[in-house]
Amino acid sequence: DADVTQTPRNRITKTGKRIMLECSQTKGHDRMYWYRQDPGLGLRLIYYSFDVKDINKGEISDGYSVSRQAQAKFSLSLESAIPNQTALYFCATSGFSSDTQYFGPGTRLTVL
Amino acid sequence: KQEVTQIPAALSVPEGENLVLNCSFTDSAIYNLQWFRQDPGKGLTSLLLIQSSQREQTSGRLNASLDKSSGRSTLYIAASQPGDSATYLCAGFSGGYNKLIFGAGTRLAVHP
Repeated sequence: DADVTQTPRNRITKTGKRIMLECSQTKGHDRMYWYRQDPGLGLRLIYYSFDVKDINKGEISDGYSVSRQAQAKFSLSLESAIPNQTALYFCATSGFSSDTQYFGPGTRLTVL
Repeated sequence: KQEVTQIPAALSVPEGENLVLNCSFTDSAIYNLQWFRQDPGKGLTSLLLIQSSQREQTSGRLNASLDKSSGRSTLYIAASQPGDSATYLCAGFSGGYNKLIFGAGTRLAVHP
């Protein structure tokens, strides 16, 4: 089984809808991250969390919110989706003692 | 603003060639550098992590180097194979809190 899983893998929605993307990990890591990837721009950090009680904004947090429900679960919400939030979204984790980040398979979100 | 640049954006080579992918960064505060591979429709796979105290890392046919003074990292792939075809991303750690700054990637095609 994959160490970092994301659901759903693909989602098409309409402008104004509320969307939640979920991430779960079995690596036992404390640190979790949400990124988005746009063609030609690389990945950009949306939010990150170093433990259940710690939430931090990343480079592009406007229009997004997150919830760290447990050590293993980190959800990303779009309260009112807009077309320019169409992108590939990745969840990642890392442990306290190592800088290496491990990524989930991604969620492809299309906002019409 | 911290920036990570990858050159070239795309590369096509015949099987068996040795090749070099380049990554440059503008912020000397980037202290570690990680190379990833991304296959279409899939997540990122970590290839190599170079700590600031190291100059290079090797894994099989891959060798990555880091020169903080010049703000450059290179990924060397020996004896390329069609299975190496993917997008290669470099990312620098910055900010002291395990935050990755990504380049836009180099799309590599190795043809038989």
